[in-house]
Parts: sequence; C-alpha cells; structure tokens
Amino acid sequence: GDSVTQMEGPVTLSEEAFLTINCTYTATGYPSLFWYVQYPGEGLQLLLKATKADDKGSNKGFEATYRKETTSFHLEKGSVQVSDSAVYFCALSEPNFGNEKLTFGTGTRLTIIP
Amino acid sequence: EAGVTQFPSHSVIEKGQTVTLRCDPISGHDNLYWYRRVMGKEIKFLLHFVKESKQDESGMPNNRFLAERTGGTYSTLKVQPAELEDSGVYFCASSQVGQANEKLFFGSGTQLSVL
Repeated sequence: GDSVTQMEGPVTLSEEAFLTINCTYTATGYPSLFWYVQYPGEGLQLLLKATKADDKGSNKGFEATYRKETTSFHLEKGSVQVSDSAVYFCALSEPNFGNEKLTFGTGTRLTIIP
Repeated sequence: EAGVTQFPSHSVIEKGQTVTLRCDPISGHDNLYWYRRVMGKEIKFLLHFVKESKQDESGMPNNRFLAERTGGTYSTLKVQPAELEDSGVYFCASSQVGQANEKLFFGSGTQLSVL
C-alpha cells in the first residue's frame, strides 16, 4: 500500500537558518503530494501541494518539488522564522473518484530559536 | 465562517470506559473524514462519510469504534470500551463533494488519553 516516510524530528534551528525536511513516498499510482502544518493549538492546514512530476509547490517562503524519479517531496525554506515553529506533515493522496483519502508521514516537529 | 469544530478538545478516561467524540463540519460540507494520530506516529485515515453514508470505513481499527453521522450534519465517534492503545489525537476534516484535497479543512483535534 501507499506510505510516506519523513525525516525524524525534532528539528531545532536558529532564526534565519536554512530548512530542509526530507520526505519520500511509495505509491501504486500517480499521487498528489502535500505538506500540511499544525501550529500549536490549531488544526492541520495545507501548506503547499504538487499534483504532477516536476511541479513545485510554494507558500509562505516554503517550497517543495515533486520528484518522481526519486519519489521525493522535500520541504525547504531559505530563512526560517520563530513563527515557523510547528509540526510538519508530508502526505499523499491517489485519485479515487471523490474519496481521495490522505496518507500521512509521522510528522516533524520544528522549533526555531531566536 | 466557522471552521471545523471538535469537542472535547481533551478527554481523559480509564480503560474500559466509553468516550464519544464529536465533529461539526463546515456548513454545507458533505464530505467528512476522521483521522487519528497515535503516540506521535503517522496520522491515519479512519473513515469517510458523504452526507450520512459511510463511503469508506477501511481504516476503522476494530469493532470497538462506531462512527455515525445522522442527518448528514455533525458526526460522532464512539469508542467502547476504550483500550490503552486508543490514546492519541483524533482529527476531523470536511470538504465539499467534488473538491480536491486542497479544499479539505481540519479541526484542531481531540486529544484522548486512556489510562
């Protein structure tokens, strides 16, 4: 079945550091890929997505590129801020006629120190 | 517009007791999903409602879990009897039928602790 493997946390960085959170996937079909973020006390929010190979999703300074050849969707940001502290989840979904349930990774807790 | 609302936000119960979690989706959203994150592991799909019908309940772990969505509005997830391994965060999400996952909205979850 489908699965998502993401970098173990927690990750602690200083403000303005470069961030990479690795994510690889296994899927039977041709999935869409997502990064979700959960800020303290809040629900999951979609951060960015990509629906086909070589697509780059971007939002709030974060980027991730859909790499079919390496089955990866690594999350990057050039200069992190304290407000980026959250738990980040990589996820995929396969087309399924309106039942596109998500398969998530284990989540990576990110803490940014001023 | 109100988001997806879940309550309680936290629940602490003893093994063998019953707990009922509630999810109020965004008004007009016929899709309703339940997910669960156990002990810091991956978030796993439990089931999917379209209105009051169960579209997919392949992720329900066993028959101690019962999900309902009478009238196609709010949903409840009952765990009876609760076991230690049921501890975790239970998320609800909703969307309009036909919308892709970028239009999926999550609640903030119910933290369930079974002692």
